[in-house]
Amino acid sequence: GDSVTQMEGPVTLSEEAFLTINCTYTATGYPSLFWYVQYPGEGLQLLLKATKADDKGSNKGFEATYRKETTSFHLEKGSVQVSDSAVYFCALRDGGTSYGKLTFGQGTILTVHP
Amino acid sequence: DVKVTQSSRYLVKRTGEKVFLECVQDMDHENMFWYRQDPGLGLRLIYFSYDVKMKEKGDIPEGYSVSREKKERFSLILESASTNQTSMYLCASSLLAGSSYNEQFFGPGTRLTVL
Repeated sequence: GDSVTQMEGPVTLSEEAFLTINCTYTATGYPSLFWYVQYPGEGLQLLLKATKADDKGSNKGFEATYRKETTSFHLEKGSVQVSDSAVYFCALRDGGTSYGKLTFGQGTILTVHP
Repeated sequence: DVKVTQSSRYLVKRTGEKVFLECVQDMDHENMFWYRQDPGLGLRLIYFSYDVKMKEKGDIPEGYSVSREKKERFSLILESASTNQTSMYLCASSLLAGSSYNEQFFGPGTRLTVL
């Protein structure tokens, strides 16, 4: 079945540091890929997405590129802020499903210090 | 703005009690989902529904049931709560297929503790 593996957390950075959170996946067919973010005390929000190979999703300074050859969708940001502290989830949606079912990674806790 | 609301943010129940978690969305979405979120395990799908009165099992349906009598409302039922069902429960909704961009919108979650 489908699966998503994220780098182990928690990740602790200083403000303005570079961020990478690794995500790799296993899926049949041609999945769509997502990054969701969960701020403290809230539900998940879509951060960015990519639907085909070599697509780059971007939002709020975050980027991720759909790499089919390495089955990866790593999240990056050039300069993190304290307000980026949250839990980040990588997810995929199998291209064959008609119900939009998502498979999530285990989540990575990011803490950014001033 | 899309809004997904859940009936309680925090809930404490006793072992063996019947528990109802309610979710309402206001965007006329066809799909609705219930997940549980546990540290180190991410989100796991319990049940989903693609239409009124329709339901499909997700990855971990054991110990749970669902009800969807109206399009906007999707209920998760724990028939006899157990301590291993202590978790954060998240509801989500999305449009039906047809678009590869149909995003899932999440509610704020219900943190359930079973004593």
